[in-house]
Amino acid sequence: ESVLTQSPATLSLSPGESATLSCRASESVSSYLAWYQQKPGQAPRLLIYDASNRATGIPARFRGGGSGTDFTLTISSLEPEDFGLYYCQQYTRWPTFGGGTKVEVK
Amino acid sequence: QVQLVQSGGGVVQPGGSLRVSCAASGFAFSNYGMHWVRQAPGRGLEWVAFIRHDGTNKYFGDSVQGRFTMSRDNSKNILYLQMNSLRAEDTAVYYCAKGYGGYDMRDYFDVWGQGTMVTVSS
Repeated sequence: ESVLTQSPATLSLSPGESATLSCRASESVSSYLAWYQQKPGQAPRLLIYDASNRATGIPARFRGGGSGTDFTLTISSLEPEDFGLYYCQQYTRWPTFGGGTKVEVK
Repeated sequence: QVQLVQSGGGVVQPGGSLRVSCAASGFAFSNYGMHWVRQAPGRGLEWVAFIRHDGTNKYFGDSVQGRFTMSRDNSKNILYLQMNSLRAEDTAVYYCAKGYGGYDMRDYFDVWGQGTMVTVSS
């Protein structure tokens, strides 16, 4: 089982700043990695799949990168609606999720 | 529009059973694999189960194997999760989710239901 470790646990930033979230896999997951955003009381929303492809309707300020064991989600110029929880997920075998990164308002 | 609407859930005693449902609309339900994902209060996401597009193959996470079953009715576009022998640690919000593919649990989730709370407590 590939264990996903996300860092940092919390990112405190101001609107307009850039955010870089990390997801590290315990073994290679190739490019089979997705990113989700979740807001309180809501279901997760798919942002990125196959490590770097934006899902339908996702703004260009969200950019995914990496392959193998190291991945990043970059949000350039944070908008107020971008604050929330972010999870990575691998799908090389049964799906597993990282522990999440909270992006909060500084 | 593409939508998953969940129903069921509630409070059940340890050892009890509960069924949650997920009604799909706006896409060809019979072409896609479907998943259940849960989230315990204040915790992260945990994949629970998968059913192939035609219902022939099902896979379950270790924590629910042997206790939960999953089925689908492609004529009605409805997905089900039957939860038996429930434990306190099964308390969570349960989400149904559409897989991008149809055949394999190795998938990501491009559409999610609104979630339904299941509480296991005496």
